[in-house]
Amino acid sequence: AQTVTQSQPEMSVQEAETVTLSCTYDTSESDYYLFWYKQPPSRQMILVIRQEAYKQQNATENRFSVNFQKAAKSFSLKISDSQLGDAAMYFCAIGGVGGNKLVFGAGTILRVKS
Amino acid sequence: DTGVSQDPRHKITKRGQNVTFRCDPISEHNRLYWYRQTLGQGPEFLTYFQNEAQLEKSRLLSDRFSAERPKGSFSTLEIQRTEQGDSAMYLCASVPQGTNTEAFFGQGTRLTVV
Repeated sequence: AQTVTQSQPEMSVQEAETVTLSCTYDTSESDYYLFWYKQPPSRQMILVIRQEAYKQQNATENRFSVNFQKAAKSFSLKISDSQLGDAAMYFCAIGGVGGNKLVFGAGTILRVKS
Repeated sequence: DTGVSQDPRHKITKRGQNVTFRCDPISEHNRLYWYRQTLGQGPEFLTYFQNEAQLEKSRLLSDRFSAERPKGSFSTLEIQRTEQGDSAMYLCASVPQGTNTEAFFGQGTRLTVV
């Protein structure tokens, strides 16, 4: 079974500053994918960033980057130059190679202060 | 709009009634997933279709729940004899062919059982 733990129920960041959201996971799979999804209030969930476990290089997407520590089973999300539009619930998720069933963490609410 | 569409967006029903939700995935996506999300939690997997075949069901999917995808296009999720514990957001996601590509989520159907 796969599990995902997000230990920060809520985080706050000042506009233009950097924030890091934490995620740890557990899996018995040797190959898997890790995701961060963003869920704005009353809107659908969208993919922020994806990391293939077999890749050592950390994924980056513009202002979003991850710190993937495979041995520690840690997958944190760093948001640089935070913007008001980044305010949302962020979910960390893990998926296997064979299908795309995702196991999600409980989420972290990110508040951005102007 | 070529995204994932779910109908209705909101449903209020009395305990014991049956409800049916519909999901229209992105047209070329052959994989379709249903998730349930309760307040303050991450989505939990319910069931998965590849084309018209239902390939996996979660233990969360009691015998009161049934899902179909008759022609490999849209899908329906029916809950019979609803209970207050069924109150949640029901999310649909579609995924294109390929190895663990991005899941595209709909806006969900929020069910309230009174």
